[in-house]
Amino acid sequence: DTEVTQTPKHLVMGMTNKKSLKCEQHMGHRAMYWYKQKAKKPPELMFVYSYEKLSINESVPSRFSPECPNSSLLNLHLHALQPEDSALYLCASSQYRGGNSPLHFGNGTRLTVT
Amino acid sequence: GQQVMQIPQYQHVQEGEDFTTYCNSSTTLSNIQWYKQRPGGHPVFLIQLVKSGEVKKQKRLTFQFGEAKKNSSLHITATQTTDVGTYFCAGPGETSYDKVIFGPGTSLSVIP
Repeated sequence: DTEVTQTPKHLVMGMTNKKSLKCEQHMGHRAMYWYKQKAKKPPELMFVYSYEKLSINESVPSRFSPECPNSSLLNLHLHALQPEDSALYLCASSQYRGGNSPLHFGNGTRLTVT
Repeated sequence: GQQVMQIPQYQHVQEGEDFTTYCNSSTTLSNIQWYKQRPGGHPVFLIQLVKSGEVKKQKRLTFQFGEAKKNSSLHITATQTTDVGTYFCAGPGETSYDKVIFGPGTSLSVIP
């Protein structure tokens, strides 16, 4: 079981659709992350929120738009995606900001762009 | 730029054999973390090593952090089918402390 909850588990969307991925944690963690993972590859960092402020954007295309409404919630808004954006999208949280704090991952959203 | 490498990329072992994966960083790390991802699953945190030369054990798993804090290893004694998965090492980013950078991973298959 994971303490980071992601919805939906699976998502199929067309290139003209707008959708959102949601992530929630109630561990009081102050940093939250979005990672993208392709098959047989490591997680690739997309965004980091620290104390509800965006601290890192790894040059992610603007068709991905993150949002952190409060310290427990993290959203990823998707618009006009490409088929190559199909991947597993992982949300994670850590107690403190920075690379010293272990990551707790959600189950992920498996996204297919048609 | 910073690189985190792992070898081997794949390892197939007979159940009961030992397994080791090695992680090397191009830069000194303040800490190193290990994660396990089962097929179809998500990465799960295993352990964090902080001190130079540190060795930690979790049942059949032994983790080691090198003296120079640039390399680490994970050794599994007497593998079981439940050990199947990909093992990732990860460390803080060099240019931004908020980052956690993952190595490419070692995929372990255990033949019953």
